[in-house]
Amino acid sequence: AQTVTQSQPEMSVQEAETVTLSCTYDTSESNYYLFWYKQPPSRQMILVIRQEAYKQQNATENRFSVNFQKAAKSFSLKISDSQLGDTAMYFCAHPVLRKGAQKLVFGQGTRLTINP
Amino acid sequence: NAGVTQTPKFRILKIGQSMTLQCTQDMNHNYMYWYRQDPGMGLKLIYYSVGAGITDKGEVPNGYNVSRSTTEDFPLRLELAAPSQTSVYFCASSYNSLNQPQHFGDGTRLSIL
Repeated sequence: AQTVTQSQPEMSVQEAETVTLSCTYDTSESNYYLFWYKQPPSRQMILVIRQEAYKQQNATENRFSVNFQKAAKSFSLKISDSQLGDTAMYFCAHPVLRKGAQKLVFGQGTRLTINP
Repeated sequence: NAGVTQTPKFRILKIGQSMTLQCTQDMNHNYMYWYRQDPGMGLKLIYYSVGAGITDKGEVPNGYNVSRSTTEDFPLRLELAAPSQTSVYFCASSYNSLNQPQHFGDGTRLSIL
């Protein structure tokens, strides 16, 4: 079964600090993507960053970067210079291809609070 | 572009009532999805569609039905509402399936009392 595990239910850091959210996944596929989504209190699901498994270089989007360890099936998200607006639930997601359609399997989420 | 639009944003139903959650997208995406999110949890796939006229079950389809008569619209129907269906429902779409990010609507908060 395809699973995604986020082992940190909650995290809290001070503004401007760096924080790393963990994610591990299980897959039998060889070529795949991984995603981090952010869900602020407004409830929207916002794509933060994605990583292609066949690329060795870690993805970066401004203050957000990933540490992708393919052999360990680990996909952590690092937020640098954290801001109050980063307060949200963060979900790691792994797409599974079945019957020609991508199905996203989500982790349980990490609730991140940035304190002033 | 409006993206993915869901209506209503909030709804309270009585046990046994029926309703349809509406979802429409204006991005000409072939693939559309319905998820539910229970409190403190990630999203679980209810149904999905790979194009007009084609739908298939996801992880938690029981108690729901869908139809896809047009590319733009993908309504989700609850026939006999039960308290276990109290949740936040998200509709999403993507251009194609393979590893493209899904675009989400703002969600519908549904309470069954």
